[in-house]
Amino acid sequence: DAGITQSPRHKVTETGTPVTLRCHQTENHRYMYWYRQDPGHGLRLIHYSYGVKDTDKGEVSDGYSVSRSKTEDFLLTLESATSSQTSVYFCASGGDSVTDTQYFGPGTRLTVL
Amino acid sequence: SQQGEEDPQALSIQEGENATMNCSYKTSINNLQWYRQNSGRGLVHLILIRSNEREKHSGRLRVTLDTSKKSSSLLITASRAADTASYFCATDSGSARQLTFGSGTQLTVLP
Repeated sequence: DAGITQSPRHKVTETGTPVTLRCHQTENHRYMYWYRQDPGHGLRLIHYSYGVKDTDKGEVSDGYSVSRSKTEDFLLTLESATSSQTSVYFCASGGDSVTDTQYFGPGTRLTVL
Repeated sequence: SQQGEEDPQALSIQEGENATMNCSYKTSINNLQWYRQNSGRGLVHLILIRSNEREKHSGRLRVTLDTSKKSSSLLITASRAADTASYFCATDSGSARQLTFGSGTQLTVLP
């Protein structure tokens, strides 16, 4: 987990409210990622970034948006949270290639009531 | 959809025994990675094997890759209670610009 932090670590919110999760890395990595982890599904990629202001969709991007205004910060926003977005969210960062080793944050447990 | 699928889903062994878990994938890859996740924590990278490699070692870990069978195995020798964790394989599909993770093998090492 060294070098990558996520905030908040736990959040409970209500359906229909906006939620923003934050990821901060100190490794100067070019690539950053947001995943969600659900029982039976492993990790699924939501969005990723390959540079400041450069982002792309992953496998499960519907209902999520991201922004990256600085190399070290990557934000994940749920515009209007739904119960199906209850999950554990992991941020990761990596180096020169999208398929290089990824370094993961400690995760954020989000519950949408 | 998941590119890599681990087998078995769960494995329970005694301390000191070897643990073997397998990963199968569907399309051609550039490399395959294994990660470990302790309960309540993020994933930690263990080892990366490239498509032109057949075997790789790192400490008590041994990874093999058979591209003709589209499969990989992770062997942990002389297991310890601290090895208790979930283990995931991750593949790049070659054309897609992302890693795809399997659903993991839950390893329990009993003291």
